[in-house]
Amino acid sequence: QQQVKQSPQSLIVQKGGISIINCAYENTAFDYFPWYQQFPGKGPALLIAIRPDVSEKKEGRFTISFNKSAKQFSLHIMDSQPGDSATYFCAASGGGSQGNLIFGKGTKLSVKP
Amino acid sequence: GAGVSQSPSNKVTEKGKDVELRCDPISGHTALYWYRQSLGQGLEFLIYFQGNSAPDKSGLPSDRFSAERTGGSVSTLTIQRTQQEDSAVYLCASSTGAFSGNTIYFGEGSWLTVV
Repeated sequence: QQQVKQSPQSLIVQKGGISIINCAYENTAFDYFPWYQQFPGKGPALLIAIRPDVSEKKEGRFTISFNKSAKQFSLHIMDSQPGDSATYFCAASGGGSQGNLIFGKGTKLSVKP
Repeated sequence: GAGVSQSPSNKVTEKGKDVELRCDPISGHTALYWYRQSLGQGLEFLIYFQGNSAPDKSGLPSDRFSAERTGGSVSTLTIQRTQQEDSAVYLCASSTGAFSGNTIYFGEGSWLTVV
């Protein structure tokens, strides 16, 4: 049973455009929703995270939008740059999983110059 | 250390051999996790350790997989009688505690190829 579903699998965006990646979860006990960024040959690194008591969190060009009733959250990358080209993973934790993160399958983002 | 350290970074082994993968977490981190990342797939949870508590082994795919953590620090993931489907990147991570919301820091992974 896949508890966190992520889409799209891949995404191509022009430089300066907006990249949007979506995730949906099933377990209403989840209480922490991070996004991780992974470059080739590297381990994933935390990019931004949100708790369900807020609907939006912004850090620089990166924004998480959270819809608790729909059990969905999304990552928006404004003014996308070629350096943002990476694989992005959404994740969730809480409830029975404790601190262990349940990950989506990832989105490979390519930003064209 | 400055970050989570894993070794070897790359390992090629023959089918049927045993392999050991090592993880040295960030100093002071009490929680340690192992994940597996197959080509084009997400991160699959394998096992985690929190302090002196019994590890959560619920993600181990078969009894060929085991892990231990000595002295609350270094961990070793062992795969016995390796199969080709075991080929993947094995990622170790650590955090200050296994509580939801604690940032989990990943190493760069051990790339395992079974031929």
